Amino acid sequence: NAGVTQTPKFRILKIGQSMTLQCAQDMNHNYMYWYRQDPGMGLKLIYYSVGAGITDKGEVPNGYNVSRSTTEDFPLRLELAAPSQTSVYFCASSYLRVQETQYFGPGTRLLVL
Amino acid sequence: GDSVTQMEGPVTLSEEAFLTINCTYTATGYPSLFWYVQYPGEGLQLLLKATKADDKGSNKGFEATYRKETTSFHLEKGSVQVSDSAVYFCALSDEGGSYIPTFGRGTSLIVHP
Repeated sequence: NAGVTQTPKFRILKIGQSMTLQCAQDMNHNYMYWYRQDPGMGLKLIYYSVGAGITDKGEVPNGYNVSRSTTEDFPLRLELAAPSQTSVYFCASSYLRVQETQYFGPGTRLLVL
Repeated sequence: GDSVTQMEGPVTLSEEAFLTINCTYTATGYPSLFWYVQYPGEGLQLLLKATKADDKGSNKGFEATYRKETTSFHLEKGSVQVSDSAVYFCALSDEGGSYIPTFGRGTSLIVHP
């Protein structure tokens, strides 16, 4: 099992550009999450999904969009990159929602200039 | 809403010292509690968890006891090693709340030889 994989590892964007952060898991998990991690601020939930075709907003969804067409994949889309979106992005998955361990990917470091 | 409060870091210790990282929480329901560890340049990984009051989670010499009366889940280790240097996150998922996992801000641990 590869677990949770994320691509790319690092990316530099110019203001206004768009990009998609890829996330995939091979554990047949129902729940998937996108977090951003800013220095000293812990993790903030951007979007989450409880299964294919179902997504919902987290704490900081503005400027992002997601889709979940398959159980395995949960891409995060940035439409108009802004410097405030400079962060490290983590994708995670879990089989259940409560009492259940989350499995995290290695992260994508994004710099918007 | 749910929240997790961790002691601020960095915590700096010498090898073989005793470690305590404090974590307290507020939750509307009956949360499960977790400690995750993040090594430099990596994603978070589960260190230990407890799903009901008075449960003790343990792994790799680390322990934490779920104390409902003090709403706490403090992380302890009797003798830290240089390889324990990392950022530690306390987290909860609340069956009676919003179900969205809640993370603390993280506590950086630096262990010197």
